[in-house]
This record gives sequence, structure tokens and C-alpha cells, in this order.
Amino acid sequence: ETGVTQTPRHLVMGMTNKKSLKCEQHLGHNAMYWYKQSAKKPLELMFVYSLEERVENNSVPSRFSPECPNSSHLFLHLHTLQPEDSALYLCASSQGYSGPSSYNEQFFGPGTRLTVL
Amino acid sequence: GNSVTQMEGPVTLSEEAFLTINCTYTATGYPSLFWYVQYPGEGLQLLLKATKADDKGSNKGFEATYRKETTSFHLEKGSVQVSDSAVYFCALSSNYQLIWGAGTKLIIKP
Repeated sequence: ETGVTQTPRHLVMGMTNKKSLKCEQHLGHNAMYWYKQSAKKPLELMFVYSLEERVENNSVPSRFSPECPNSSHLFLHLHTLQPEDSALYLCASSQGYSGPSSYNEQFFGPGTRLTVL
Repeated sequence: GNSVTQMEGPVTLSEEAFLTINCTYTATGYPSLFWYVQYPGEGLQLLLKATKADDKGSNKGFEATYRKETTSFHLEKGSVQVSDSAVYFCALSSNYQLIWGAGTKLIIKP
């Protein structure tokens, strides 16, 4: 595997289910990101991890819970979701997180298409 | 605050037509500017970038020039192909994050 992979590619879940999204990067990067992509809306940054520590949580509801056990893996645990949470969830990674006034190119996975019934 | 505005789509063109997708931004300081492309069923890929005023980013026949005076970063291509059909996102860097436009869907007909 190369680049950034995400599993599953498609997920349908009920509002009472608990599921997890998985992201793995094979690029040797130190930072990983979760985004939510909804139709006709800008990408929404949800979480950022740098060196396995969360550095940003953009007011995301607690029904989304991230986990970064090491620099190569990132999970998004889902529970009691709402239909409006249906979207494409994208994972990305970058070489590092250099703080203000700096940007490291982000490499994206193909996304998980989530449908909440 | 910082923001990115890009033209709504879909934009439908015939093959070999000239393409312009408009992008304007509002930002403090001197952000870097980016165009990402998302092909059907795939994640986003960096298409080109520019890091300072008057820089021109280019890749795969696409170009965009960082215009500070008009706060714009319009994407252009002289002759599009069916394979260019995708969603194009304009973005700027703000601190460590990217601020995204809503995306413009491009449809190229043979």
C-alpha cells in the first residue's frame, strides 16, 4: 500500500450503532487530519494530530471521537450519529505540523462515504 | 476572518475549450494559495500552489497566478480534456490549516 488509505470505503449505519473509520498513511508523515466533506460546502477540518497528540478540535460534537495510536494510524470512532452526519470523511497526512505561518502539503485518502439512517 | 470564494458549478465545457475557474480570497498576512482536484471516487490531490504574490503555479497544463492586488487565484487551462472532469477546490493556508472554497465541479463533454 502506498499513500493514504482509508477503510471502509462505504459505511451505512443506524443512529444507535457504534462504528469506527480507519486511516493509515504510508508516507512517514507526522501529522494526520480528519475532514468532513458535505455536498456544496467547503471542507470542514475536524481534528488534527501532530506526533500522536491532538492539536486541534474544531468544535466537533462528542459523538465523533478520534484516536491516534501512532503516527501511521488514525481512527474516528462514531456513536449515536445523526442523519446530518452523512458525508464523505477524508483523512489526510502531512510531513509535519509547523505551527503558525507555515504549511505542509497534505496528502489525502480516498475517503469513507458514511450514510446514517 | 479568512475565507475563499470560488465560482459555483457545475461548469460544462466541450473538449479543447479554454477553462477559467474563478477564486478570490480574503486573508490577513501573506497566505499560500492552492488548487486541489478531486477525481470521481478519489481523495483530493494537490494540483498546484503559489506561495507569494505574482507567483504562478502550474501543473498538467493548468496555471494560476497569485494576484494580491485583486486577491485572486483563478485556475486556467488552454485546452481541456474529458479526463479533466473533476471537482476543483481553491484553498489558502491560515496558520497550520487550509481554508477551503466550496469546490467547482467541472464537466468536459467530448
